[in-house]
Amino acid sequence: GAVVSQHPSRVICKSGTSVKIECRSLDFQATTMFWYRQFPKKSLMLMATSNEGSKATYEQGVEKDKFLINHASLTLSTLTVTSAHPEDSSFYICSARLGGDTDTQYFGPGTRLTVL
Amino acid sequence: QKEVEQNSGPLSVPEGAIASLNCTYSDRVSQSFFWYRQYSGKSPELIMSIYSNGDKEDGRFTAQLNKASQYVSLLIRDSQPSDSATYLCAVKSGGSYIPTFGRGTSLIVHP
Repeated sequence: GAVVSQHPSRVICKSGTSVKIECRSLDFQATTMFWYRQFPKKSLMLMATSNEGSKATYEQGVEKDKFLINHASLTLSTLTVTSAHPEDSSFYICSARLGGDTDTQYFGPGTRLTVL
Repeated sequence: QKEVEQNSGPLSVPEGAIASLNCTYSDRVSQSFFWYRQYSGKSPELIMSIYSNGDKEDGRFTAQLNKASQYVSLLIRDSQPSDSATYLCAVKSGGSYIPTFGRGTSLIVHP
């Protein structure tokens, strides 16, 4: 149980285009999902917290108009990187919160974005 | 500001040895503690969670928690080359559902 999927796993796009990444909790409902980015050999950086049915909460320094997050259902959150530039190239990872007594985060497999 | 500290390593151990990974945290009201394993180029994978003082064992893994000293550790017995990865410690306070992650410790198990 507690499986999180992410799509696509890898994307290459031209500078100026927008890219949408989907995160799905496959076997549980997640009222909260998180979006991280990670540069090579660097630590996880939390970008935003996504709550179903409400606006996402962005971490300091993360542009909300640049990284659009939608959490339309209890099993789906999307991250759209708008007008992508080469500096947005990174590994984007979502996680979904399984509540209850353990209140644990489970990570998706990640999306590697390369902007040319 | 909540901080979670880990030695970045790399920690190098021979195959078959015990690998000991340590993590300290600053928030005294922390209640939930997690260890994730992250292979290079992959996303983190949950290994263990621990919530009360003492040891918790799962196969070759043992998590140890000492709230008074504000540290949590992960022991890997009979280390295998396939255990070579970065191990992330995550700590969550009771009043928050957002864990704080450490920067991770790189473990290398050499044959």
